[in-house]
Amino acid sequence: AQSVAQPEDQVNVAEGNPLTVKCTYSVSGNPYLFWYVQYPNRGLQFLLKYITGDNLVKGSYGFEAEFNKSQTSFHLKKPSALVSDSALYFCAVRDLQNYGGSQGNLIFGKGTKLSVKP
Amino acid sequence: DTGVSQDPRHKITKRGQNVTFRCDPISEHNRLYWYRQTLGQGPEFLTYFQNEAQLEKSRLLSDRFSAERPKGSFSTLEIQRTEQGDSAMYLCASSPGTGGEKLFFGSGTQLSVL
Repeated sequence: AQSVAQPEDQVNVAEGNPLTVKCTYSVSGNPYLFWYVQYPNRGLQFLLKYITGDNLVKGSYGFEAEFNKSQTSFHLKKPSALVSDSALYFCAVRDLQNYGGSQGNLIFGKGTKLSVKP
Repeated sequence: DTGVSQDPRHKITKRGQNVTFRCDPISEHNRLYWYRQTLGQGPEFLTYFQNEAQLEKSRLLSDRFSAERPKGSFSTLEIQRTEQGDSAMYLCASSPGTGGEKLFFGSGTQLSVL
């Protein structure tokens, strides 16, 4: 079965320090991977995606993610965290096993709460 | 505001009542999705429309749930005979359908079933 795991419920980082939010996946075939962010009282916002090509993907707000096929990981990273980055982050993979009609049928992880302190 | 809008923002209902939610996608987007999110979990796919056609539906979705998109623009999600387990945030998303599938989400409708 296809799945996504976010092993950390919460990540705490000091402002200015690098941050990493972890994600591992389990899929059959080539994965389509995504990161979304959810700010309080707001809808999820797309950050970045990996479909094919370079393993390092750059996205919105200075975030990037590294696709690692051998480790089946897609960790989200940022070189220097901001207090305003504090939010809930979701990793997702396209559900190719059950749904083939649209790339939007995503399987989301449980989310990781990122807290950046001044 | 040209984003995805959902109405109402909050809905409190008694068990057994029917509820209906509305989603207005970004106007030029032909794909529309409904997801459900409970506390501490990621969004769970419910159903998907391409224009007015409902192309996919989660196998886990009870037959008490029905969704429509009659003119290929706004969509409604109806839950009949609500149960306490239906309490969740119901999210709508749209996409242009040109590939890559960057989804644009609304702020959601929070349903509480008492």
